[in-house]
Amino acid sequence: AQSVTQLDSQVPVFEEAPVELRCNYSSSVSVYLFWYVQYPNQGLQLLLKYLSGSTLVKSINGFEAEFNKSQTSFHLRKPSVHISDTAEYFCAVSAGAAGNKLTFGGGTRVLVKP
Amino acid sequence: GAVVSQHPSRVICKSGTSVKIECRSLDFQATTMFWYRQFPKQSLMLMATSNEGSKATYEQGVEKDKFLINHASLTLSTLTVTSAHPEDSSFYICSARVRGAGNSPLHFGNGTRLTVT
Repeated sequence: AQSVTQLDSQVPVFEEAPVELRCNYSSSVSVYLFWYVQYPNQGLQLLLKYLSGSTLVKSINGFEAEFNKSQTSFHLRKPSVHISDTAEYFCAVSAGAAGNKLTFGGGTRVLVKP
Repeated sequence: GAVVSQHPSRVICKSGTSVKIECRSLDFQATTMFWYRQFPKQSLMLMATSNEGSKATYEQGVEKDKFLINHASLTLSTLTVTSAHPEDSSFYICSARVRGAGNSPLHFGNGTRLTVT
């Protein structure tokens, strides 16, 4: 079985400051890693995914995450946040194949302050 | 592409009634769909895995007789909350796997907020 731990339940950050959201996982098999963003009363939007290859993955809106196998981590970072980045962020893993069921972390609420 | 539509987006029902939530893959076929539940300020918990043409697989602790899942076609899965009670009030989200693309990420619907009064 897999598990995902997001160490911070809430992260307040000022606009244009950097942010890092931590995610650690455990699994006995190979995993595929994802970050999803959820805006209030909405579903999930895929932000980033690690399937294979380069351990550093980037999104079109400035987020990046690095897969670290030895530390079983997949931390999410953004060098400069905007007010519009205020949302809930979920780290998730699937085992065996990227289209298998996902196990989610507890979520991190990012609140960007002006 | 790869759009998943959930309907309704919001529903309010009285205790004891049943509610049906639909999850449709609009532009692809989905042999497998997953149903999640999310309580306020909490994470998503997998309820069941829905496979087209066969019985759903429920996670431990989820009552299969209360949460009826039907996946009768390659584009539609339904979740029926039977005899709903206030504690069933939650945000229900479905996700779908593109047929033949088992190593591609899942696609999520926009969720259904159920309020049982």
